[in-house]
Amino acid sequence: GESVGLHLPTLSVQEGDNSIINCAYSNSASDYFIWYKQESGKGPQFIIDIRSNMDKRQGQRVTVLLNKTVKHLSLQIAATQPGDSAVYFCAETDTNAGKSTFGDGTTLTVKP
Amino acid sequence: ETGVTQSPTHLIKTRGQQVTLRCSSQSGHNTVSWYQQALGQGPQFIFQYYREEENGRGNFPPRFSGLQFPNYSSELNVNALELDDSALYLCASSSMGSGRVGEQFFGPGTRLTVL
Repeated sequence: GESVGLHLPTLSVQEGDNSIINCAYSNSASDYFIWYKQESGKGPQFIIDIRSNMDKRQGQRVTVLLNKTVKHLSLQIAATQPGDSAVYFCAETDTNAGKSTFGDGTTLTVKP
Repeated sequence: ETGVTQSPTHLIKTRGQQVTLRCSSQSGHNTVSWYQQALGQGPQFIFQYYREEENGRGNFPPRFSGLQFPNYSSELNVNALELDDSALYLCASSSMGSGRVGEQFFGPGTRLTVL
């Protein structure tokens, strides 16, 4: 149930498996990146962020990896749970321009 | 600490009409950004307000305008509504100058339908 490198619009995993969601960004000036989770009928919810001077950042069950060379961002979710089912978006921010750009979302479905 | 709130939750308008959407930012936040999210797509940045002035703008026509008030709440105004304006409009607040620029907290959105 993992995908590495390629952005997929949908991802289906078994409960307890690890998930990897990928994102490509376009602006070399972006210096701040965020992963959001959006559940049906709700606004995006902050999951984890990373600044451009870092390659990796870990949270509770989540890890974000940043590869500036290829402009790639990934979100790893450990021991995926049914409550993790949602649409996940990455967002790149150019803090000098005050503008955030969201990537294409990935719909994660966790099967019990 | 109160979260970001938006009103109304749902709205139906007809083509050519004007609409005003409202947002109250999270307590302690001085910056508000507005996004348009079409069904099945990611949010698209409309503009950002900081200290009552527009601080950045996306690729939206001038009929999309905004205001920020001294209490940091904000309005999004859309004139001459078109069918393609039907979307979820999201407001996000953040605190510029706090060292956590970019960390935004989103409201639940206003669902606008243009008939």
